[in-house]
Amino acid sequence: EVQLVQSGAEVKKPGESLKISCKASGYGFPFYWIAWVRQVPGKGLEWMGVISPEDSSTRYNPSFEGHVSISVDNSITTAYLQWSSLQASDTAVYYCARLLVIFRYTSVYWRFLDSWGQGTLVTVSS
Amino acid sequence: QSALTQPASVSGSPGQSITVSCTGTSSDVGAYNYVSWYRVRPGNAPELMIHEVSNRPSGVSDRFSGSKSANTASLTISGLQAADEADYYCSSYTDTNTLVFGTGTQVTVL
Repeated sequence: EVQLVQSGAEVKKPGESLKISCKASGYGFPFYWIAWVRQVPGKGLEWMGVISPEDSSTRYNPSFEGHVSISVDNSITTAYLQWSSLQASDTAVYYCARLLVIFRYTSVYWRFLDSWGQGTLVTVSS
Repeated sequence: QSALTQPASVSGSPGQSITVSCTGTSSDVGAYNYVSWYRVRPGNAPELMIHEVSNRPSGVSDRFSGSKSANTASLTISGLQAADEADYYCSSYTDTNTLVFGTGTQVTVL
């Protein structure tokens, strides 16, 4: 059974750093991409970025690029989402999800997010 | 990168059918069949309901169906049940190698 288990809720102050995790199990971790999705309270889903665990290549939503960093540790089948300096506007629930992709010729197409973590609530407040 | 447009809310009586629309552009919904739908119940993680326009993952009721015409995708829930109350989001791959979600639709069972 595919499972993505995320780290627990965090309460931080503006300017602090944070790294949250997403532990995958039940499938070949290097061969499926991982996406991170944000949901601000009362708002919709926003795609933040994706990573290919096989080569650690990343792609970010321009709205988040430079503010967050996505990484993986294949040895422990875990993906991470990291901030160096949090802002109050980062208060949200963050989900990791397994992204199925398909390669056609020289292009890769993102098909869908088939399994999701339970979410990590990050609260940033002074 | 603008969100796909969904109605804020759709409602129906038990047993009825409802349809949630998802309007994008020729750069996303209209360009690819990589449109998916997710259900988000309060306090729960999103669940995949439909992938690649009209495909149901195993375990998802056949009361859920999807379709697409030009730049608009649709999710239909037939035989509406109280358990279907949730927020529903569409999503599409885009021609700039990104992912975009819809604005979300609150489905209410009257």
